[in-house]
Amino acid sequence: QQQVKQSPQSLIVQKGGISIINCAYENTAFDYFPWYQQFPGKGPALLIAIRPDVSEKKEGRFTISFNKSAKQFSLHIMDSQPGDSATYFCAASRSGSGNTGKLIFGQGTTLQVKP
Amino acid sequence: DAGVTQSPTHLIKTRGQQVTLRCSPKSGHDTVSWYQQALGQGPQFIFQYYEEEERQRGNFPDRFSGHQFPNYSSELNVNALLLGDSALYLCASRRRGPAYEQYFGPGTRLTVT
Repeated sequence: QQQVKQSPQSLIVQKGGISIINCAYENTAFDYFPWYQQFPGKGPALLIAIRPDVSEKKEGRFTISFNKSAKQFSLHIMDSQPGDSATYFCAASRSGSGNTGKLIFGQGTTLQVKP
Repeated sequence: DAGVTQSPTHLIKTRGQQVTLRCSPKSGHDTVSWYQQALGQGPQFIFQYYEEEERQRGNFPDRFSGHQFPNYSSELNVNALLLGDSALYLCASRRRGPAYEQYFGPGTRLTVT
């Protein structure tokens, strides 16, 4: 019940295209769903996050879509650029008051954006 | 505004040795978590420290221990190193209260030979 399943494992997209990464979770107690971007040799950087009281959140070219009933959420990268080439991790946690916010990560998606 | 910092950047140790990794949280943050990231995998939660106490622990053996200091910085200690302990060790920090935004440091790459 603690798992977060992420797909695809790898993704190749042309410059200007849309990159879509999907995640599914089991634990309905999760209340915070962040996405992290990680470049080789670096730590994960918080990209965008959503709470289950909204179905979509957009920040610039990055959008999270959240389907509470299906227990799924996805990251959409619009107008993908070569600089977006990185590994993306979805995560989930119980982060409300009284919780530690322990992050459960997906397995990661390696995105390559071709010029 | 300094982000999360970690030291050292890289470390090579021999099986059976002990290692100490260090983390300074982002300014204004008082809660520190440690994660282990094996090559090609997502980070795995080791434990979290707040108010100098371990608050939650992941599925890691007692060889992994930690400490938090009054200035909120933290150490991760690993005893009796195994080859399987080779990984990127990440520190994440957040503010007190609802545990939303957490920020990671650059990590310490530990290689056990």
